[in-house]
Amino acid sequence: EDQVTQSPEALRLQEGESSSLNCSYTVSGLRGLFWYRQDPGKGPEFLFTLYSAGEEKEKERLKATLTKKESFLHITAPKPEDSATYLCAVRSGGSYIPTFGRGTSLIVHP
Amino acid sequence: DGGITQSPKYLFRKEGQNVTLSCEQNLNHDAMYWYRQDPGQGLRLIYYSQIVNDFQKGDIAEGYSVSREKKESFPLTVTSAQKNPTAFYLCASSGDYANTGELFFGEGSRLTVL
Repeated sequence: EDQVTQSPEALRLQEGESSSLNCSYTVSGLRGLFWYRQDPGKGPEFLFTLYSAGEEKEKERLKATLTKKESFLHITAPKPEDSATYLCAVRSGGSYIPTFGRGTSLIVHP
Repeated sequence: DGGITQSPKYLFRKEGQNVTLSCEQNLNHDAMYWYRQDPGQGLRLIYYSQIVNDFQKGDIAEGYSVSREKKESFPLTVTSAQKNPTAFYLCASSGDYANTGELFFGEGSRLTVL
């Protein structure tokens, strides 16, 4: 059974204070690790897909990396508008359906 | 603009009533999904459909029903058999689920049982 664990559950940062969110996973044959952003009361918005260890993707202040056991979402010099819940999901070789973690709630104070 | 439309955004239900949540997409996607989200929990899969006239149970299908008569529509009915239906419901679709797995989500429907 695929498992996804995200940490920390919540993170408070000052504007400009860089940090990382973690997504640890256990799957049988990774067929994709996904990061989503979710604003309060809204549906998740797709950010990145990573397929193999060593892969990196960037979008503005966000950078996602992948190893064989975990993924990191690095946030460089965050702004208050980066405040959201960040969800991680994995898809294994046995299923087309992603399994989601519980998310990390990020608050960036001005 | 292409996207997924869920309605209503807010819904109140009395105990013992069935309610239906609408999900329409104009992305021409084959696969559609329904998830439930509770505070502090991840997204839990209720039902999914990979093609018209076919759908499969997810992890928490009890007390829910769906239909997929048209490619663009995937309504979810929350029946009176669902004992704890108060939650945020999310509909999603995927255009190339076999290869990419990227999901596109609607804005969600919040159901409250009175």
